[in-house]
Amino acid sequence: GAVVSQHPSWVICKSGTSVKIECRSLDFQATTMFWYRQFPKQSLMLMATSNEGSKATYEQGVEKDKFLINHASLTLSTLTVTSAHPEDSSFYICSARVLAGGIVGDNEQFFGPGTRLTVL
Amino acid sequence: AQSVAQPEDQVNVAEGNPLTVKCTYSVSGNPYLFWYVQYPNRGLQFLLKYITGDNLVKGSYGFEAEFNKSQTSFHLKKPSALVSDSALYFCAVRSPSGTYKYIFGTGTRLKVLA
Repeated sequence: GAVVSQHPSWVICKSGTSVKIECRSLDFQATTMFWYRQFPKQSLMLMATSNEGSKATYEQGVEKDKFLINHASLTLSTLTVTSAHPEDSSFYICSARVLAGGIVGDNEQFFGPGTRLTVL
Repeated sequence: AQSVAQPEDQVNVAEGNPLTVKCTYSVSGNPYLFWYVQYPNRGLQFLLKYITGDNLVKGSYGFEAEFNKSQTSFHLKKPSALVSDSALYFCAVRSPSGTYKYIFGTGTRLKVLA
C-alpha cells in the first residue's frame, strides 16, 4: 500500500510553453503533498508544500507564479511549470504525507517516481 | 536552522563487506531522522527512521542506522553489502512538530564492487 504516482514520467517541451505534472496518492488520502526539484548529482530541494483545499506554501526563492500548485483533492496535486525555460529542466519529485499523520509500514511520507522535464 | 550533512559524495565497498554511509545533522530539539534510497530515474524509497527509543534502528533490505545524540550522527550501515545496494542514499531530518517538511542531505552514491 501507500503508492504515489506521477504523470508524466518524462516530458520534453519547447521554451515558453507550460507543462503540468500530476501527483496522485493511489491507495491513501494525503492532506499534504510536497514538491521537490532535483538537479543532477544533487539533493532534493523542497519547492513547496501543497495542502488540500488551500494555497500552497512556497519555499524562499521559488517563484509561485512560475510554479503553480493546485491540490484539488485528497489524492491529487498538480505542479504547472509556466512559460518554461531551459533552466527549468530538472527532475521533479512529489511526496505525499499520510492523512492525519498516520503511519504505513513505519513510513510517514511516500515519494513518487519523479518526472524528468527537459525544456528545449 | 536545520541542516543535514553527508560528508562523502561516494562510498565504494566490496561485495560482502560491511558498509557505512555517514550522516550528521543539526536541528533544534529532538530530531526525526530518515534514510532513503534512490535508484536511477526513480523516486525515493524509505529505508528506516529514528524518532525515539533504541539508538539502533533496523530497516528495509538489511540496513540499519545508529543514532548518536552526542555526535549528532545517524550513520547508515549494513553488515554485508550486495551489488544491488549500489544506489544514491539520502539522509533527511525533520522537526518533530510543525509542517512535516524534510531537509535532505546532498546524497551519497554507494558503489558495491563485485
